[in-house]
Amino acid sequence: DTEVTQTPKHLVMGMTNKKSLKCEQHMGHRAMYWYKQKAKKPPELMFVYSYEKLSINESVPSRFSPECPNSSLLNLHLHALQPEDSALYLCASSQGVTGQRQETQYFGPGTRLLVL
Amino acid sequence: KNEVEQSPQNLTAQEGEFITINCSYSVGISALHWLQQHPGGGIVSLFMLSSGKKKHGRLIATINIQEKHSSLHITASHPRDSAVYICAVRSRETSGSRLTFGEGTQLTVNP
Repeated sequence: DTEVTQTPKHLVMGMTNKKSLKCEQHMGHRAMYWYKQKAKKPPELMFVYSYEKLSINESVPSRFSPECPNSSLLNLHLHALQPEDSALYLCASSQGVTGQRQETQYFGPGTRLLVL
Repeated sequence: KNEVEQSPQNLTAQEGEFITINCSYSVGISALHWLQQHPGGGIVSLFMLSSGKKKHGRLIATINIQEKHSSLHITASHPRDSAVYICAVRSRETSGSRLTFGEGTQLTVNP
């Protein structure tokens, strides 16, 4: 199984809503990532979890709150978002995060988020 | 100047044509990735390279570390190859988990 799954596929939310994005992998990977991608732009790294601990936060606003309940699951909790947060949110996983190892990141299909 | 530059930005080809997409980077790298993104979002990792050449089906990826340059070739292109192709590098200078992405090449293959 080399699949990363993400739910929901699409999400529309108001600026006062609270919602969560979910990501799951069963490849035994110990690193998981959240990316944000605007239209016609490359993905931008948001967060990295390594062994269920947050290892990188790319100065993401606190209205985005990641959570890694176990090694297979990664959530992104959303609260009080702005319309400019509308984007495709991609999850990825890899075996680890050590720079010495050449590791492929496996990407999920993404959640397309629209904030009204 | 971006650390990763791709060319061309847009490419239109007729079915059956040989296609080349180029990627140049300015940093020392431990690996270079070629990714494919279809409309609708999902990203597929095509190749990870640190030297030489890799082939998978009709796709070939090459890298020249001395020249800091990689190419992705598609032989006998097909309309289903239409997608955005993204080059991404893992820099030796930054944290091991970060990828630096190029802006992508939009490929359209017409029947």
